[in-house]
Amino acid sequence: QSVLTQPPSVSAAPGQKVTISCSGSSSNIGNNYVSWYQQLPGTAPKLLIYDDNKRPSGIPDRFSGSRSGTSATLGITGLQTGDEADYYCGTWDSNLSASNWVFGGGTKLTVL
Amino acid sequence: QVQLQESGPGLVKPSQTLSLTCTVSGGSISSGSYYWSWIRQPAGKGLEWIGRIYISGSTNYNPSLKSRVTISVDTSKNQFSLKLSSVTAADTAVYYCARGHGTPMYYYYFYMDVWGKGTTVTVSS
Repeated sequence: QSVLTQPPSVSAAPGQKVTISCSGSSSNIGNNYVSWYQQLPGTAPKLLIYDDNKRPSGIPDRFSGSRSGTSATLGITGLQTGDEADYYCGTWDSNLSASNWVFGGGTKLTVL
Repeated sequence: QVQLQESGPGLVKPSQTLSLTCTVSGGSISSGSYYWSWIRQPAGKGLEWIGRIYISGSTNYNPSLKSRVTISVDTSKNQFSLKLSSVTAADTAVYYCARGHGTPMYYYYFYMDVWGKGTTVTVSS
């Protein structure tokens, strides 16, 4: 059970827009930057978004990120079949007993 | 372009120590403000962060694994390593190494931008 909660799955048609939520608390998302990772089937994760809303070089602007309060959101517009993948949010978590990096449970995107 | 490559035994016996190495190419492991991290993923499950090391030797570990994990760096070989002791079947997973941005001064600022392709480790007798 991750401290970051993501929906297990989302789906949308090609060309449409989808959002993936990542819910946390004041010990993680509420006070630290969020990054998002895309994992295509059978491959290693790839950085999509860092510092809440910045895209690394080579990531199309169809991908966007935002953070508000203790939640973060990944948005994908103009969906393509090649976007079918698992998406993970991640951030630093600092509670009274420990401090470490945490990932969300992951969300499987299906492009219908 | 920095690339990472994991290597190590694909099969480890229960109660033994899992040892993996990540070789960094295309750049020096000592340059820049980077952490060097390990992440694992059991088949069909999500990502689990294991820990990280800064070039100064400063480390952070997942509390759930801390008692069994050691991450070290060898700058002469441009490599960093993972040791996980007393393994069980629950440690069977794909293990990834990754480069992370950040410094110990702001330990909470972190993200991972370069990943290795991963290596599968099975714990079985």
